[in-house]
Amino acid sequence: ETGVTQSPTHLIKTRGQQVTLRCSSQSGHNTVSWYQQALGQGPQFIFQYYREEENGRGNFPPRFSGLQFPNYSSELNVNALELDDSALYLCASSPSEDYGYTFGSGTRLTVV
Amino acid sequence: SQKIEQNSEALNIQEGKTATLTCNYTNYSPAYLQWYRQDPGRGPVFLLLIRENEKEKRKERLKVTFDTTLKQSLFHITASQPADSATYLCALVDGGSYIPTFGRGTSLIVHP
Repeated sequence: ETGVTQSPTHLIKTRGQQVTLRCSSQSGHNTVSWYQQALGQGPQFIFQYYREEENGRGNFPPRFSGLQFPNYSSELNVNALELDDSALYLCASSPSEDYGYTFGSGTRLTVV
Repeated sequence: SQKIEQNSEALNIQEGKTATLTCNYTNYSPAYLQWYRQDPGRGPVFLLLIRENEKEKRKERLKVTFDTTLKQSLFHITASQPADSATYLCALVDGGSYIPTFGRGTSLIVHP
């Protein structure tokens, strides 16, 4: 097992810019989810992909979008960045629906 | 509205004692419940999963109970150690979407 790897670890962007965050999940983990975690809060669900199809979305605007690729990698794109988008973005994968999730260490995004 | 409540105040205990953390929820019918540990600046780490038809689950020094009538889960760490100090998150998994929804977590501090 190689775990879940996220890149970059830290990122600073300017309001209005666009950002792409990347995740490489474990081989065999068909489900990948992205979460946003503000300081002192629990992770908030953004969306989930299963075998490259989005199969769940949280209460986030359309400027948050994603993709999952056949090689178990995925990405989160955020357009028109706002100051409130500053947070820790977490990628998590699971082999099936009744297993726990394996999380990456996250990408710390700061919007200035 | 759906709500997951974890005590926002930190739990301070002495080494060797049993730590008990609480997760209450309303307006959910979870298929199962998960507990995670999160250290500062890191992603959550999966600890235990308990299904709606299970009352109790154990793993080494960890024990989780799940009462669907009270809508509550208790997470116990016996013989606690300073290395157990972290934030502990509960996550409810909806039976329809199988997407975990997280509470905000409770900080545990074990004093030597």
